[in-house]
Amino acid sequence: AQTVTQSQPEMSVQEAETVTLSCTYDTSESNYYLFWYKQPPSRQMILVIRQEAYKQQNATENRFSVNFQKAAKSFSLKISDSQLGDTAMYFCAFVMNRDDKIIFGKGTRLHILP
Amino acid sequence: GAVVSQHPSWVICKSGTSVKIECRSLDFQATTMFWYRQFPKQSLMLMATSNEGSKATYEQGVEKDKFLINHASLTLSTLTVTSAHPEDSSFYICSARAVASLGNEQFFGPGTRLTVL
Repeated sequence: AQTVTQSQPEMSVQEAETVTLSCTYDTSESNYYLFWYKQPPSRQMILVIRQEAYKQQNATENRFSVNFQKAAKSFSLKISDSQLGDTAMYFCAFVMNRDDKIIFGKGTRLHILP
Repeated sequence: GAVVSQHPSWVICKSGTSVKIECRSLDFQATTMFWYRQFPKQSLMLMATSNEGSKATYEQGVEKDKFLINHASLTLSTLTVTSAHPEDSSFYICSARAVASLGNEQFFGPGTRLTVL
């Protein structure tokens, strides 16, 4: 069975700093997708970034980038120039290519301090 | 972008009553919709997967007779919590996967907070 592990339950960083959230996963599949979702205090789930497993290039969305290490089954999220609005719960998630179900990690609560 | 709405956003009901939560995809057709439950400070727990026009597939441990799911159209799925009890109090989130979805992406509704007295 596929699993997603986020080893950092909670993190705090100063505004404008860079922070990296870690995620590892376990699967025997070769085709899958990885996501980072943000859940702010409003509790609306927001897609931050997506990575296709077949792509070697790391995905980037403005201040958000990932370090995707397929062999190591690692998928970390880097937030550059962090902003107060980045304060949220961040979930790493995995979806197999042939399946619909998202498998979520337990989440990392990120606090951006002024 | 793809928008998913949920109604109501919050509901309070008495123990023993039934509550219906609607999930709508507003600007796209959803072949598949998902229902999640989230306890405070925890991750999302998938309850069931519903495909338009067919019976929902429930995750292990989820009572199908208690959590009735209907997916009657490509834009609407409903979750009915029957004979609700205080332990059913939670945050319920739906998501929808578009007919032509990039990377199996799901779009999430804003959630419904259910409180059973």
